[in-house]
Amino acid sequence: DAKTTQPNSMESNEEEPVHLPCNHSTISGTDYIHWYRQLPSQGPEYVIHGLTSNVNNRMASLAIAEDRKSSTLILHRATLRDAAVYYCILSNSGGSNYKLTFGKGTLLTVNP
Amino acid sequence: NAGVTQTPKFRILKIGQSMTLQCTQDMNHNYMYWYRQDPGMGLKLIYYSVGAGITDKGEVPNGYNVSRSTTEDFPLRLELAAPSQTSVYFCASKDSSLRGYTFGSGTRLTVV
Repeated sequence: DAKTTQPNSMESNEEEPVHLPCNHSTISGTDYIHWYRQLPSQGPEYVIHGLTSNVNNRMASLAIAEDRKSSTLILHRATLRDAAVYYCILSNSGGSNYKLTFGKGTLLTVNP
Repeated sequence: NAGVTQTPKFRILKIGQSMTLQCTQDMNHNYMYWYRQDPGMGLKLIYYSVGAGITDKGEVPNGYNVSRSTTEDFPLRLELAAPSQTSVYFCASKDSSLRGYTFGSGTRLTVV
């Protein structure tokens, strides 16, 4: 599976936007970009996924670079409940799509 | 709508003991997974199943066994517990679309 690189940690202030970066320079044409987050003492939670176009849902937005070698998860107004570890994961649309590989992710701290 | 249910939530085992971690999902998902998460680390895949009667090894299968006799249940068996198996275990399921995994709340296992 292609690898991703994320900062170990980031900080933000409450009610401000947060941009979480992810580099994936070896992404293949059929790899989807997935984001999950893990709140303290909980299992991971699906956030969003995309292939080429930017995506929006009720939780976040996903901005994908034109060359697809990087992406950014955008939380439009961070709240204290958004403090979590955020994982950026690549998966092939084919057979290996059903085995996601989680790295260490980015620990997001939200200051009141 | 229970989602993915894991039992027990906590367990302390002595070295050499055996136990089964239970995982049940009520969403009729074909795919089910077992991950372990050591402190400060990402999740590592132990075993997965693409349907009833089909299982396969993940990244760290040694010391574990699984079975998938029904769509709903995917138990994880530890035969001879070792201190290295102290971890938090997460079960997850998904359907055949690109929608994300649904995780259980985890089982915290300590082997002493």
